[in-house]
Amino acid sequence: NAGVTQTPKFQVLKTGQSMTLQCAQDMNHEYMSWYRQDPGMGLRLIHYSVGAGITDQGEVPNGYNVSRSTTEDFPLRLLSAAPSQTSVYFCASSRDFGTNRAGNTIYFGEGSWLTVV
Amino acid sequence: TQLLEQSPQFLSIQEGENLTVYCNSSSVFSSLQWYRQEPGEGPVLLVTVVTGGEVKKLKRLTFQFGDARKDSSLHITAAQPGDTGLYLCAGARDDYKLSFGAGTTVTVRA
Repeated sequence: NAGVTQTPKFQVLKTGQSMTLQCAQDMNHEYMSWYRQDPGMGLRLIHYSVGAGITDQGEVPNGYNVSRSTTEDFPLRLLSAAPSQTSVYFCASSRDFGTNRAGNTIYFGEGSWLTVV
Repeated sequence: TQLLEQSPQFLSIQEGENLTVYCNSSSVFSSLQWYRQEPGEGPVLLVTVVTGGEVKKLKRLTFQFGDARKDSSLHITAAQPGDTGLYLCAGARDDYKLSFGAGTTVTVRA
């Protein structure tokens, strides 16, 4: 069972470079999201999608773009990398967007470690 | 400023002891979730609580949602080294977004 797959696992970028973090899920989930995790700050929502063709901003969207052309894939693009974007990035998915339902489990990928120098 | 404040930030105990982690906010949540995260991995959902005053038990773990749905606690009885990890609480104020606490790092010494 693949679940939520993120690539790459590790990446070093120079300031100003662009790149795409890939996220794919094989559970036919409608809801997908991207978080960043920084020491002492927990996870913060960057962007999310409630279905193919629909995306919206989360808590910290600046400097990031997303698209959702298929149900399976939800790539995160860094437009012009900055040192402040050094972080661990997690992609997550769930069956639907009802976070208040006890039976709706959110599954996280294993993370992508990004360093911007 | 975190919407959800977790305490303590770090907790180190001996195997067999009990521990409690707290998650507090001034906001009301429609549900609250607890996750455990191990180094190099993503968070894994432990439980979701949706009703004020609700108590859920998962083996040696007991989760409680406050009556006003603003706070929650996680209690571990007779902790084991396998309970070591980062525990995160996350609250939902609408259907689309979760707000996470900064986490509590729990270390259980053998």
